[in-house]
Amino acid sequence: DQQVKQNSPSLSVQEGRISILNCDYTNSMFDYFLWYKKYPAEGPTFLISISSIKDKNEDGRFTVFLNKSAKHLSLHIVPSQPGDSAVYFCAASFSDSNYQLIWGAGTKLIIKP
Amino acid sequence: ETGVTQSPTHLIKTRGQQVTLRCSSQSGHNTVSWYQQALGQGPQFIFQYYREEENGRGNFPPRFSGLQFPNYSSELNVNALELDDSALYLCASSLSAGGPYEQYFGPGTRLTVT
Repeated sequence: DQQVKQNSPSLSVQEGRISILNCDYTNSMFDYFLWYKKYPAEGPTFLISISSIKDKNEDGRFTVFLNKSAKHLSLHIVPSQPGDSAVYFCAASFSDSNYQLIWGAGTKLIIKP
Repeated sequence: ETGVTQSPTHLIKTRGQQVTLRCSSQSGHNTVSWYQQALGQGPQFIFQYYREEENGRGNFPPRFSGLQFPNYSSELNVNALELDDSALYLCASSLSAGGPYEQYFGPGTRLTVT
């Protein structure tokens, strides 16, 4: 049973436009959410996180939105740059599980010049 | 500051064999987590070690075992390899456990079981 779902395997966006990556979850116990970015032949790198007590967190070009009632979070990248082309993973955790990460399958983002 | 390193980079084993994968954590980190990432999927949590003790385990059979050493480096051992064990194995270190500490990942070890 997939607790964290990223339903879009890939997304193609024009350079300079907004990229929106989506993630849905089923476990209402999750209280901490993260986005990781992965380039080929490298390990995932942390991008941005959000606690369940917030509905938005911003860091430069990256903003994560959390909609707890819909069990949905999204990552917005504005403006999109060629270096943003990578696989993006959404992950969730909760304090009772010692913050072990449950990951989505990832979305491959392609930024077109 | 040295990042997380893993060895070997690639490995080919035969079904039924045993394998040991190694991970050196980032300086100052006392917690290591191991993940298995099958093709086209997200990483799946195997287990975590905190100060040389297992500190949580995912849904993996006992033939997946680990160790953490006093310098906080770690090993993942897999016995009786099966074809489905073919995957990218990722190690991540963090400052500590029990909180939403950022995890820093190594590049992974690609294991192929034939």
